[in-house]
Amino acid sequence: AQRVTQPEKLLSVFKGAPVELKCNYSYSGSPELFWYVQYSRQRLQLLLRHISRESIKGFTADLNKGETSFHLKKPFAQEEDSAMYYCALLAGSSNTGKLIFGQGTTLQVKP
Amino acid sequence: DADVTQTPRNRITKTGKRIMLECSQTKGHDRMYWYRQDPGLGLRLIYYSFDVKDINKGEISDGYSVSRQAQAKFSLSLESAIPNQTALYFCATSANRGGTDTQYFGPGTRLTVL
Repeated sequence: AQRVTQPEKLLSVFKGAPVELKCNYSYSGSPELFWYVQYSRQRLQLLLRHISRESIKGFTADLNKGETSFHLKKPFAQEEDSAMYYCALLAGSSNTGKLIFGQGTTLQVKP
Repeated sequence: DADVTQTPRNRITKTGKRIMLECSQTKGHDRMYWYRQDPGLGLRLIYYSFDVKDINKGEISDGYSVSRQAQAKFSLSLESAIPNQTALYFCATSANRGGTDTQYFGPGTRLTVL
């Protein structure tokens, strides 16, 4: 079964602390994974995708096929990082565009 | 992103009523999607459409129907609304360049079924 699990509903850290938002997936093929973010009063938007191997707003995510994980990390959290974060898996063939989302993790960065 | 709009933004209705949620986009994208968001469950795909003549069920299509009136418009209908369809509904679009394309989301419609 194709599934994405984000075990933490809420992650609360202080400004300047490291952040790791966990994401585990279940997928039989070669996964394509994304992180989407929803800031307060804004729309859900793409943060990064693993195939791009990019760093956006200081966030990185590495695909670990052995652990079936795609954790989102940032070395020093900022208050403006507070948001809801969703991990998503591209389901089926790569052409479908169907995304399976995790349950979401709310990141709260305290001053 | 104002290129993807949803109407209405909020709706309260009663059990058994027929409801239509509308999504319009000016991004010129071929692909459109409807999701619902529930606390603790994340977003789940209801229906998706690759073009006007191609509509597909997502993981939770029961109780819903859709219409792709034009490339730019994708409507979601609840034929007979029930309380467990109370949720936040999102429309999204993506270009037809492969499945890894970014999905662009609308602002959401908050639906309450009493």
